Amino acid sequence: GEDVEQSLFLSVREGDSSVINCTYTDSSSTYLYWYKQEPGAGLQLLTYIFSNMDMKQDQRLTVLLNKKDKHLSLRIADTQTGDSAIYFCAESGGSSNTGKLIFGQGTTLQVKP
Amino acid sequence: KAGVTQTPRYLIKTRGQQVTLSCSPISGHRSVSWYQQTPGQGLQFLFEYFSETQRNKGNFPGRFSGRQFSNSRSEMNVSTLELGDSALYLCASSLGDREASPLHFGNGTRLTVT
Repeated sequence: GEDVEQSLFLSVREGDSSVINCTYTDSSSTYLYWYKQEPGAGLQLLTYIFSNMDMKQDQRLTVLLNKKDKHLSLRIADTQTGDSAIYFCAESGGSSNTGKLIFGQGTTLQVKP
Repeated sequence: KAGVTQTPRYLIKTRGQQVTLSCSPISGHRSVSWYQQTPGQGLQFLFEYFSETQRNKGNFPGRFSGRQFSNSRSEMNVSTLELGDSALYLCASSLGDREASPLHFGNGTRLTVT
């Protein structure tokens, strides 16, 4: 079945790089997403990657996709205290699942000054 | 462009009552999806509406229902509330006309059932 797994917690020092990892099971997923959730807020779309891409870079964010291993990672360069939040990985499934994303449990990123 | 707007932000209801949540999508977006977020189950898909029709549905009981209006605004209704329905309900909108249409979420409605 569809499943997305993430580690639950990551702690880094301000200025370091953060790497959040995710594995998924649905090989038909066309798009994979990263969302950020701050306390009391909804989900903010950070970036997404098409399944035929290996990498996507957007300012401080780098997404790496290993389709063979169904592994997705999000690297945040020069991590700031404002990056402290919960980060969710999500897969889109096939086109029949428009509107339905399968989310991981979320990784809490703690950035220490 | 205004983002996805959900009202109200907070609701407190009693077990057995019903509740209606509202969502206004981003202008031009025709798809609205609803999700339930709880500490135990995480983010779970409820249903998706596109052009006033339910196009996709998750595994929730019939007490959870929704509808979409001609202006793409959507409402979600939960009848006969149970304590376990306490959650953050998130609405997301997208263009909806192709799969490469990322979901943009609102800030949610926090429902507490006592």
